[in-house]
Order: sequence, then C-alpha cells, then structure tokens
Amino acid sequence: KQEVTQIPAALSVPEGENLVLNCSFTDSAIYNLQWFRQDPGKGLTSLLLIQSSQREQTSGRLNASLDKSSGRSTLYIAASQPGDSATYLCAVRRDGGSQGNLIFGKGTKLSVKP
Amino acid sequence: DVKVTQSSRYLVKRTGEKVFLECVQDMDHENMFWYRQDPGLGLRLIYFSYDVKMKEKGDIPEGYSVSREKKERFSLILESASTNQTSMYLCASSFLSRETSEQYFGPGTRLTVT
Repeated sequence: KQEVTQIPAALSVPEGENLVLNCSFTDSAIYNLQWFRQDPGKGLTSLLLIQSSQREQTSGRLNASLDKSSGRSTLYIAASQPGDSATYLCAVRRDGGSQGNLIFGKGTKLSVKP
Repeated sequence: DVKVTQSSRYLVKRTGEKVFLECVQDMDHENMFWYRQDPGLGLRLIYFSYDVKMKEKGDIPEGYSVSREKKERFSLILESASTNQTSMYLCASSFLSRETSEQYFGPGTRLTVT
C-alpha cells in the first residue's frame, strides 16, 4: 500500500532563507508527483507537477525534484518570504489501477518570519 | 485559468439530514474527485468519476454517494448526516489523459453536523 510521508511536520524560518521540504513514498510505481500549497481554511493550489520520467520542475522561486528509485521528492523554495507561509502537501498518482486519484502526505506547515 | 467552484464555503446541518455538496468545473475535465480532510488524517478520497454517470469508490465511501449527470458537475450526497462526517470537503478535477493529469481543487466546504 502506497504511503506518503512529509518531514518535518512544521518548519519556521526567517525571511530570505532558502529551504527544502521533503516528501517520501513507499512504492516507486508512481505516474507523477504533485506539490500543492494550502492556506488556512482554503482549498489546495497546485504548484508543480513532475512526471515520473522527469527529474525536476521549476516555477519561479520553486524547484521540485524527483528521485523515483529512492522514493523521494524535494521542494526547494528560494529566498523565502512571509507570503510563502502555508501548508505544503505532496501527492503521488499511482501507476495503473484507479483513474488518477492521488495519495497525499500530511503536509509540512511552513512559517516564514519577517 | 482552471476554475473549480463549490456551492458553499460553510454548511451547518443536523444529524440525520440529507446533505448535498455541489462541485462545478469549467475546464471540460473528464475526472472529478471528492476528498475529505481531517486534522491528523490528511486528505482521503471518498469517490471519483471519470465520465458522466460513471463513478468509483475511493478509500472511504461509506455513508456517501455521488451523482454526475453532466460533465461539469459532480455532487456528493450524505444520505443521513452524522457527527463523524463533520469535516472539510474538497472537490478536484483533472483531464483523463495521464500526460495532463494535474489536479485542480476547489475552495472547500467546511461542513459541521450537530
């Protein structure tokens, strides 16, 4: 059974720092991995999608990497800002089986202090 | 921009009531999903649909049913609401194609059953 783990559960950093969020999954048979951001009481905003054949994706100050064989992904945030404060979730799409549903980690709650 | 909307942001219902949660997407996506999100448990899939009138059970379908009469609309139905169904409900949609299967989420409905 696929399990997705995100460590740490919470992270507090000063503004301007570069940081890395971690995501690991137990079954390497994934089709893709998606990173989301969730603000308190709100829905999820998609940040990056990495296909299993890709190694990384970049969007602005965000860079996500994927090492499928070791079951790991990282989300790198450069020059963090207070507006980056949110919970970050990673999710993997299983390869085969059900039509595209995702398995989620429990998230990392990020706080960026001014 | 992809838009997924949900009928209510907040809902309060009494035990035993029949509850309808509506979700509409405007991107002609084939797939639609209903998740619930609870502290400490993360997001869990309730039901999904990959075509009109087609549905499949997710990980926690008990106590729920769904309806998809039109491609853009996916309804979640709580046949007889119970207090353990108090939760945040999130709808999502995506294309069926694996190559473009990024999931987009609505703003969520916080349901309280008293």
